[in-house]
Amino acid sequence: GAGVSQSPSNKVTEKGKDVELRCDPISGHTALYWYRQRLGQGLEFLIYFQGNSAPDKSGLPSDRFSAERTGESVSTLTIQRTQQEDSAVYLCASSLSGGLAFDTQYFGPGTRLTVL
Amino acid sequence: SQQGEEDPQALSIQEGENATMNCSYKTSINNLQWYRQNSGRGLVHLILIRSNEREKHSGRLRVTLDTSKKSSSLLITASRAADTASYFCAWALYNFNKFYFGSGTKLNVKP
Repeated sequence: GAGVSQSPSNKVTEKGKDVELRCDPISGHTALYWYRQRLGQGLEFLIYFQGNSAPDKSGLPSDRFSAERTGESVSTLTIQRTQQEDSAVYLCASSLSGGLAFDTQYFGPGTRLTVL
Repeated sequence: SQQGEEDPQALSIQEGENATMNCSYKTSINNLQWYRQNSGRGLVHLILIRSNEREKHSGRLRVTLDTSKKSSSLLITASRAADTASYFCAWALYNFNKFYFGSGTKLNVKP
């Protein structure tokens, strides 16, 4: 089957604009994760969805960031009033299950966001 | 990072040599995973070791875990130029609502 897909692959926006990033997980995967990776750095955890449970949003860097997931399918990460510091690659991953199992995560190719 | 580190930050070796990377973390874990990232293929899962395991092998990869020291190591034997990539360890916070990746080791294998 298809892997995790993300769109767009690249996004250039002006400071102050809103952006929406999309992630399509592997079908049947109940857990979905969003990470941010700045150039030359490691992954910064943002948020995690497990089934229909409400996600813990405390990892989101500011209230300009929000994320939604419809059931066990598509997720969107929205950044409002973008700042230059938001420039990074945003990676999405999914796993068969999450929580105590902390399964293998399958990563999408990422969305490279550039805020001018 | 407040949660963990990897060392070395960068490692350059000749093809055929072994490469060892270390990961330290600060929380109780259920399992620890290693991932590889290169520009061509993105992030790929390599191996998972559970907290009740001390050593695990997968092909040329050997992972050890010492929960008393909160550390893990990844050994790549007989390295190849294709192993050139960044390697990250990853683990879940004890309450399993946050996940952390180490800072990564950038491995360069010279042909």
